[in-house]
Amino acid sequence: LAKTTQPISMDSYEGQEVNITCSHNNIATNDYITWYQQFPSQGPRFIIQGYKTKVTNEVASLFIPADRKSSTLSLPRVSLSDTAVYYCLVGDPDSWGKFQFGAGTQVVVTP
Amino acid sequence: DTAVSQTPKYLVTQMGNDKSIKCEQNLGHDTMYWYKQDSKKFLKIMFSYNNKELIINETVPNRFSPKSPDKAHLNLHINSLELGDSAVYFCASSPTGTGGRGYTFGSGTRLTVV
Repeated sequence: LAKTTQPISMDSYEGQEVNITCSHNNIATNDYITWYQQFPSQGPRFIIQGYKTKVTNEVASLFIPADRKSSTLSLPRVSLSDTAVYYCLVGDPDSWGKFQFGAGTQVVVTP
Repeated sequence: DTAVSQTPKYLVTQMGNDKSIKCEQNLGHDTMYWYKQDSKKFLKIMFSYNNKELIINETVPNRFSPKSPDKAHLNLHINSLELGDSAVYFCASSPTGTGGRGYTFGSGTRLTVV
């Protein structure tokens, strides 16, 4: 399993853009990069997934360089409700859930 | 509501007891999972089932026995509970082959062994 490394915590103000970088130096050819969000007392919730280059959806963007050894989750114009733990996962889509969840990044958004 | 539901939400028990956690999903998914989240927030896969068949048993002690009576249910029974079993246990489900994209997690069961 590809090991991931993320910052432990990040602070931001409302309305700012938050960028969380995840390192995954031993990512394998078949591995995808997936980000999840977790609020206290809830299970993780899917945010975005990508394989290479850039992926964007209604809540976030995911930037993946050509070597795929890292990725950056970008949350535009965060609000207080974006305060959560964000997990970067790297794994093979056919691995039946055998993803490596890291410790996650605690993002705290203040007014 | 369509969801993954787990019961109970909280479980406090003494060492040596046996307990069960139930999980049900009404999303029509054919793959279900159990994850364990420890105090440092690391989430680790324990088991995965596809259409009631065990696919992954991730070196979990055999005190933990999952049971899937049908593809909508995956229960977890734990024998002879130990202090180290204290954690939050999450059930999840997904359609086959979505590769981490389509996981829906339950809200967790916080198990405390005293």
